Amino acid sequence: QKEVEQDPGPLSVPEGAIVSLNCTYSNSAFQYFMWYRQYSRKGPELLMYTYSSGNKEDGRFTAQVDKSSKYISLFIRDSQPSDSATYLCAMSGWGAQKLVFGQGTRLTINP
Amino acid sequence: DTGVSQDPRHKITKRGQNVTFRCDPISEHNRLYWYRQTLGQGPEFLTYFQNEAQLEKSRLLSDRFSAERPKGSFSTLEIQRTEQGDSAMYLCASSSREDNEQFFGPGTRLTVL
Repeated sequence: QKEVEQDPGPLSVPEGAIVSLNCTYSNSAFQYFMWYRQYSRKGPELLMYTYSSGNKEDGRFTAQVDKSSKYISLFIRDSQPSDSATYLCAMSGWGAQKLVFGQGTRLTINP
Repeated sequence: DTGVSQDPRHKITKRGQNVTFRCDPISEHNRLYWYRQTLGQGPEFLTYFQNEAQLEKSRLLSDRFSAERPKGSFSTLEIQRTEQGDSAMYLCASSSREDNEQFFGPGTRLTVL
Protein backbone atom coordinates (compact mmCIF):
# COMPACT_ATOMS: atom_id res chain seq x y z
CA GLN A 1 0.00 0.00 0.00
CA LYS A 2 1.29 3.44 -0.93
CA GLU A 3 1.80 6.06 1.79
CA VAL A 4 -0.34 8.52 -0.18
CA GLU A 5 -3.33 7.44 -2.25
CA GLN A 6 -4.88 9.67 -4.91
CA ASP A 7 -7.44 8.73 -7.53
CA PRO A 8 -5.75 9.31 -10.91
CA GLY A 9 -9.03 10.07 -12.67
CA PRO A 10 -9.40 11.33 -15.29
CA LEU A 11 -11.99 13.80 -14.00
CA SER A 12 -13.99 15.88 -16.46
CA VAL A 13 -16.40 18.64 -15.36
CA PRO A 14 -18.17 21.57 -17.06
CA GLU A 15 -16.88 25.11 -16.72
CA GLY A 16 -18.14 26.82 -13.58
CA ALA A 17 -18.54 23.60 -11.57
CA ILE A 18 -17.07 23.05 -8.13
CA VAL A 19 -14.25 20.51 -8.25
CA SER A 20 -13.31 18.31 -5.31
CA LEU A 21 -9.95 16.52 -5.27
CA ASN A 22 -8.88 14.22 -2.46
CA CYS A 23 -5.99 12.24 -1.02
CA THR A 24 -5.70 9.78 1.83
CA TYR A 25 -2.51 8.90 3.64
CA SER A 26 -1.27 6.36 6.14
CA ASN A 27 1.71 8.02 7.85
CA SER A 28 0.57 9.85 10.99
CA ALA A 29 3.92 11.73 11.08
CA PHE A 30 2.89 13.92 8.16
CA GLN A 31 2.44 17.54 9.27
CA TYR A 32 2.76 19.63 6.11
CA PHE A 33 0.28 19.23 3.29
CA MET A 34 0.55 20.71 -0.17
CA TRP A 35 -1.28 20.80 -3.46
CA TYR A 36 0.58 21.27 -6.71
CA ARG A 37 -0.74 21.91 -10.20
CA GLN A 38 1.20 20.46 -13.11
CA TYR A 39 0.60 21.24 -16.74
CA SER A 40 1.74 18.74 -19.35
CA ARG A 41 5.55 18.49 -19.59
CA LYS A 42 6.05 21.26 -16.99
CA GLY A 43 7.28 21.30 -13.41
CA PRO A 44 4.78 21.22 -10.51
CA GLU A 45 3.51 24.64 -9.36
CA LEU A 46 2.74 25.09 -5.66
CA LEU A 47 -0.94 26.02 -5.20
CA MET A 48 -1.70 25.56 -1.53
CA TYR A 49 0.40 24.89 1.57
CA THR A 50 -1.13 24.01 4.93
CA TYR A 51 0.25 22.94 8.25
CA SER A 52 -1.60 20.43 10.46
CA SER A 53 -5.41 20.29 10.42
CA GLY A 54 -7.81 22.97 9.26
CA ASN A 55 -8.87 24.94 6.22
CA LYS A 56 -7.04 27.45 4.06
CA GLU A 57 -8.58 29.58 1.34
CA ASP A 58 -6.85 31.40 -1.51
CA GLY A 59 -9.09 32.89 -4.15
CA ARG A 60 -11.04 30.11 -5.84
CA PHE A 61 -9.05 27.41 -4.04
CA THR A 62 -9.74 25.91 -0.60
CA ALA A 63 -7.57 23.27 1.02
CA GLN A 64 -8.83 21.13 3.90
CA VAL A 65 -6.85 18.82 6.14
CA ASP A 66 -8.44 16.28 8.50
CA LYS A 67 -5.60 14.59 10.34
CA SER A 68 -7.93 12.43 12.42
CA SER A 69 -9.17 10.78 9.21
CA LYS A 70 -5.84 11.13 7.36
CA TYR A 71 -7.68 12.84 4.53
CA ILE A 72 -6.98 16.04 2.61
CA SER A 73 -9.04 17.85 0.00
CA LEU A 74 -8.71 20.64 -2.54
CA PHE A 75 -11.81 22.47 -3.74
CA ILE A 76 -11.85 24.63 -6.84
CA ARG A 77 -14.79 27.02 -7.19
CA ASP A 78 -15.98 28.52 -10.49
CA SER A 79 -13.67 26.20 -12.41
CA GLN A 80 -12.13 27.53 -15.63
CA PRO A 81 -10.73 25.73 -18.70
CA SER A 82 -7.31 27.06 -17.65
CA ASP A 83 -7.60 24.90 -14.49
CA SER A 84 -7.27 21.81 -16.70
CA ALA A 85 -4.11 20.12 -15.43
CA THR A 86 -2.87 17.32 -13.20
CA TYR A 87 -3.25 18.05 -9.49
CA LEU A 88 -0.77 16.46 -7.13
CA CYS A 89 -1.12 16.21 -3.38
CA ALA A 90 2.11 16.07 -1.38
CA MET A 91 2.98 15.84 2.27
CA SER A 92 5.94 15.69 4.64
CA GLY A 93 6.89 15.37 8.27
CA TRP A 94 8.58 17.92 10.55
CA GLY A 95 11.47 20.05 9.33
CA ALA A 96 13.30 19.63 6.06
CA GLN A 97 11.66 16.49 4.89
CA LYS A 98 11.21 14.91 1.51
CA LEU A 99 7.78 15.30 -0.03
CA VAL A 100 5.71 12.18 -0.59
CA PHE A 101 3.38 12.64 -3.54
CA GLY A 102 0.13 11.09 -4.63
CA GLN A 103 -0.17 9.76 -8.16
CA GLY A 104 -1.93 12.92 -9.34
CA THR A 105 -5.47 13.49 -10.63
CA ARG A 106 -5.87 14.55 -14.23
CA LEU A 107 -8.60 17.22 -14.43
CA THR A 108 -10.31 18.60 -17.53
CA ILE A 109 -12.67 21.60 -17.40
CA ASN A 110 -14.93 21.64 -20.45
CA PRO A 111 -16.04 25.04 -21.84
CA ASP B 1 13.30 35.29 -13.28
CA THR B 2 13.98 34.37 -9.65
CA GLY B 3 12.52 30.84 -9.70
CA VAL B 4 14.28 27.49 -9.81
CA SER B 5 16.03 26.86 -13.13
CA GLN B 6 17.20 23.60 -14.65
CA ASP B 7 19.46 22.84 -17.58
CA PRO B 8 19.10 21.24 -20.05
CA ARG B 9 15.35 21.05 -20.48
CA HIS B 10 15.58 18.00 -22.69
CA LYS B 11 18.30 15.39 -23.08
CA ILE B 12 18.34 12.44 -25.47
CA THR B 13 21.16 9.97 -25.00
CA LYS B 14 22.11 6.46 -25.94
CA ARG B 15 22.15 3.64 -23.44
CA GLY B 16 25.48 3.43 -21.65
CA GLN B 17 26.32 7.12 -21.92
CA ASN B 18 26.78 9.44 -18.95
CA VAL B 19 24.59 12.51 -18.49
CA THR B 20 24.71 15.47 -16.11
CA PHE B 21 21.93 17.85 -15.18
CA ARG B 22 22.19 21.20 -13.42
CA CYS B 23 19.82 22.92 -11.00
CA ASP B 24 19.99 26.53 -9.81
CA PRO B 25 17.72 27.05 -6.78
CA ILE B 26 16.02 30.23 -5.64
CA SER B 27 18.92 32.35 -4.38
CA GLU B 28 18.00 32.60 -0.70
CA HIS B 29 17.01 28.93 -0.36
CA ASN B 30 19.52 26.70 1.40
CA ARG B 31 17.68 23.42 0.85
CA LEU B 32 17.70 21.64 -2.50
CA TYR B 33 15.89 18.47 -3.51
CA TRP B 34 16.00 16.16 -6.53
CA TYR B 35 12.98 14.12 -7.59
CA ARG B 36 12.22 11.80 -10.51
CA GLN B 37 8.84 11.58 -12.21
CA THR B 38 7.70 8.95 -14.69
CA LEU B 39 4.63 9.22 -16.89
CA GLY B 40 1.38 9.07 -14.96
CA GLN B 41 3.06 9.06 -11.56
CA GLY B 42 3.82 11.64 -8.92
CA PRO B 43 7.41 12.75 -8.32
CA GLU B 44 9.59 10.42 -6.22
CA PHE B 45 12.29 11.71 -3.91
CA LEU B 46 15.91 11.04 -4.86
CA THR B 47 18.14 13.14 -2.62
CA TYR B 48 18.31 16.30 -0.50
CA PHE B 49 20.98 18.91 0.33
CA GLN B 50 21.13 21.47 3.08
CA ASN B 51 23.75 23.95 1.93
CA GLU B 52 26.57 21.74 0.56
CA ALA B 53 25.79 18.71 2.74
CA GLN B 54 23.90 15.80 1.20
CA LEU B 55 21.67 14.74 4.10
CA GLU B 56 19.44 12.05 2.64
CA LYS B 57 19.45 9.67 -0.31
CA SER B 58 16.65 7.44 -1.49
CA ARG B 59 17.17 3.76 -2.21
CA LEU B 60 16.11 4.76 -5.73
CA LEU B 61 19.49 6.47 -6.05
CA SER B 62 21.59 3.56 -7.27
CA ASP B 63 25.39 3.56 -7.50
CA ARG B 64 25.09 4.97 -11.01
CA PHE B 65 23.58 8.19 -9.66
CA SER B 66 25.57 10.89 -7.92
CA ALA B 67 24.62 14.39 -6.86
CA GLU B 68 26.71 17.30 -5.68
CA ARG B 69 26.21 20.81 -4.42
CA PRO B 70 29.81 21.97 -4.03
CA LYS B 71 29.33 25.54 -2.85
CA GLY B 72 25.85 25.32 -1.47
CA SER B 73 24.40 27.07 -4.49
CA PHE B 74 23.74 25.13 -7.71
CA SER B 75 23.58 21.34 -7.80
CA THR B 76 24.40 18.69 -10.38
CA LEU B 77 22.91 15.23 -10.81
CA GLU B 78 24.96 12.75 -12.83
CA ILE B 79 23.77 9.42 -14.16
CA GLN B 80 26.49 7.04 -15.32
CA ARG B 81 25.95 4.21 -17.80
CA THR B 82 22.38 5.23 -18.50
CA GLU B 83 19.69 2.57 -18.92
CA GLN B 84 16.35 2.80 -20.68
CA GLY B 85 14.65 2.67 -17.29
CA ASP B 86 16.30 5.99 -16.41
CA SER B 87 14.03 7.75 -18.92
CA ALA B 88 11.98 10.18 -16.83
CA MET B 89 11.54 13.82 -15.87
CA TYR B 90 14.15 14.90 -13.33
CA LEU B 91 12.86 17.67 -11.11
CA CYS B 92 14.71 19.97 -8.76
CA ALA B 93 13.08 21.89 -5.92
CA SER B 94 14.30 24.31 -3.28
CA SER B 95 13.02 25.60 0.04
CA SER B 96 14.08 28.09 2.70
CA ARG B 97 15.20 27.41 6.25
CA GLU B 98 11.94 28.41 7.89
CA ASP B 99 9.44 26.03 6.31
CA ASN B 100 9.07 23.15 3.89
CA GLU B 101 7.38 24.92 0.99
CA GLN B 102 9.21 23.42 -1.94
CA PHE B 103 9.29 25.25 -5.26
CA PHE B 104 10.00 23.24 -8.36
CA GLY B 105 11.92 23.98 -11.51
CA PRO B 106 10.69 23.12 -15.02
CA GLY B 107 12.47 19.76 -15.00
CA THR B 108 14.89 17.99 -17.32
CA ARG B 109 13.25 15.38 -19.51
CA LEU B 110 15.66 12.49 -20.16
CA THR B 111 15.15 9.98 -22.95
CA VAL B 112 17.50 7.01 -23.11
CA LEU B 113 17.46 5.21 -26.45
